[in-house]
Amino acid sequence: GEQVEQLPSILRVQEGSSASINCSYEDSASNYFPWYKQEPGENPKLIIDIRSNMERKQIQELIVLLDKKAKRFSLHITDTQPGDSAMYFCAASPSSSFSKLVFGQGTSLSVVP
Amino acid sequence: EAAVTQSPRNKVTVTGGNVTLSCRQTNSHNYMYWYRQDTGHGLRLIHYSYGAGNLQIGDVPDGYKATRTTQEDFFLLLELASPSQTSLYFCASRGAYAEQFFGPGTRLTVL
Repeated sequence: GEQVEQLPSILRVQEGSSASINCSYEDSASNYFPWYKQEPGENPKLIIDIRSNMERKQIQELIVLLDKKAKRFSLHITDTQPGDSAMYFCAASPSSSFSKLVFGQGTSLSVVP
Repeated sequence: EAAVTQSPRNKVTVTGGNVTLSCRQTNSHNYMYWYRQDTGHGLRLIHYSYGAGNLQIGDVPDGYKATRTTQEDFFLLLELASPSQTSLYFCASRGAYAEQFFGPGTRLTVL
């Protein structure tokens, strides 16, 4: 079945700089790639997603890139703020009906002043 | 916004004990999911369902049963709990779009 690898597991950046998280997947049939943010003690929440018919998507300071040939996708957070400190999970859906997601291992992002 | 609730929020049991985790969603979503979250493993899918009476096996189903009794209610059953099942459990639901809405989580400790 599908497997998703996520790196790095821990990321520490200076406030105002950019942060990048990378994910790779195995199943070329995967067609939907969401990113979830989980703040300490909270549940995961969708922050941005991209479908396989796109290569780039941006929502404010969040940018997602998808390289289907390399089976890689990435999240870039520009102008990071302390409120961006959280756990981030990438995921891939191996089903055209989006019936299930396979998540990466997670990245703990810390934004320091 | 979708509302997903879980109970109990915390549970301590002993090895071999019987545990039921409950999840309810109030937005008439078809899909419901049970995940476990462990450091270094992210969120792993245990079981899921696309409607009352339906059950689909997830990626880490061993030691778990699940039952979807109504559109709203999805239960996770651990009939012989083991310490390896100590984890944070999340329920989620999904409607017509792909976004999954997660509940607040249940922290389970098996001694």
